[in-house]
Amino acid sequence: AQTVTQSQPEMSVQEAETVTLSCTYDTSESDYYLFWYKQPPSRQMILVIRQEAYKQQNATENRFSVNFQKAAKSFSLKISDSQLGDAAMYFCAFVNSGGGADGLTFGKGTHLIIQP
Amino acid sequence: DARVTQTPRHKVTEMGQEVTMRCQPILGHNTVFWYRQTMMQGLELLAYFRNRAPLDDSGMPKDRFSAEMPDATLATLKIQPSEPRDSAVYFCASGLGGAVHGYTFGSGTRLTVV
Repeated sequence: AQTVTQSQPEMSVQEAETVTLSCTYDTSESDYYLFWYKQPPSRQMILVIRQEAYKQQNATENRFSVNFQKAAKSFSLKISDSQLGDAAMYFCAFVNSGGGADGLTFGKGTHLIIQP
Repeated sequence: DARVTQTPRHKVTEMGQEVTMRCQPILGHNTVFWYRQTMMQGLELLAYFRNRAPLDDSGMPKDRFSAEMPDATLATLKIQPSEPRDSAVYFCASGLGGAVHGYTFGSGTRLTVV
């Protein structure tokens, strides 16, 4: 079974600064997808960014980027120019490819606080 | 934007009562998941469907929980009888067959069993 570990229960960053959230995972599969989801107080789960394991290039979405290290099974999220609206729980998630035969496996989450 | 619709948004019920939660997946999505979120356990997969067929419900307590997709526009999660330990937020998510695009989540149903 796959496991996803987020070792930082809480992180704090000053507005406009950069913060990196850590995620490691364990799998015996070679083909899979990784995601970061954001959950603000409204509790809506919002997809922030995704990464295909077969792609070496790190995914980027505006101020959000990832550092994907396949050999190390590491998938960190970097948020640049942090904004107050970025305050939320962030969840790292894993799913096997092959038609998405398994559901997403989530980490426990990191609570991100933005200091004005 | 297309969205996954879940009803009700909140539900308070007494122990022993039946609870039904509903989900309308995004039109055209053929994969539907049910997740439960608690502070202690985080996000747990309860069940999922592909083309309305149940593929896995191993995460679901079989004696009291049931999940169905009577048609492509409706997924239901039922608890009978409900217990206080079932109090949680229940999410529905839908997606296309592969995981490449990720999955879209509904706003969840917050269930409180007293």
